[in-house]
Amino acid sequence: GAGVSQSPSNKVTEKGKDVELRCDPISGHTALYWYRQSLGQGLEFLIYFQGNSAPDKSGLPSDRFSAERTGGSVSTLTIQRTQQEDSAVYLCASSFRQGRGDTIYFGEGSWLTVV
Amino acid sequence: DAKTTQPPSMDCAEGRAANLPCNHSTISGNEYVYWYRQIHSQGPQYIIHGLKNNETNEMASLIITEDRKSSTLILPHATLRDTAVYYCIVRDAGGTSYGKLTFGQGTILTVHP
Repeated sequence: GAGVSQSPSNKVTEKGKDVELRCDPISGHTALYWYRQSLGQGLEFLIYFQGNSAPDKSGLPSDRFSAERTGGSVSTLTIQRTQQEDSAVYLCASSFRQGRGDTIYFGEGSWLTVV
Repeated sequence: DAKTTQPPSMDCAEGRAANLPCNHSTISGNEYVYWYRQIHSQGPQYIIHGLKNNETNEMASLIITEDRKSSTLILPHATLRDTAVYYCIVRDAGGTSYGKLTFGQGTILTVHP
């Protein structure tokens, strides 16, 4: 596709339910990043993928959060037993490679509201 | 990580140039300076990046000082739609940091008529 695509764009879920957020990176991009942004806050790094491997998971806030990537393309971020503090916009980004000089492009995000 | 310092807010008149400063005094020789902007809570939009030479594209110009300790993003003719939060980021040089972007608080630029 032309850009990073995320779905759903909006999700309202009940506390305690599991949710899955999907990211389709730009075709050919091997590096993929997940961030989240709570209301009025800055962007917080969650996890990085290079191909299907996740060498940096340091930003995942708890073991309720997990992510996978298959075929070097689509990635899914899963939040189990959602809590109200998980409410945020979850942003996915991708780049061609891990290099310092390439450009990282962001999707429009998935807005998650836990009620 | 090299850190950046930006003014929390700036104003600019429509049609005038907006000059957004950024200090990054601890930048390493192989680290790039990136600029992104975010309108409301949309995904951050890439603007420009550079290593040590000045850069220009259709959106903006990036001026990096010779010692690389600071830079300025220039929007040559600001419009109301340029109102956004602008982030200056020094990108990790890879290795165990994997080149991720670390966002600070940015500068809220308000363009007024």
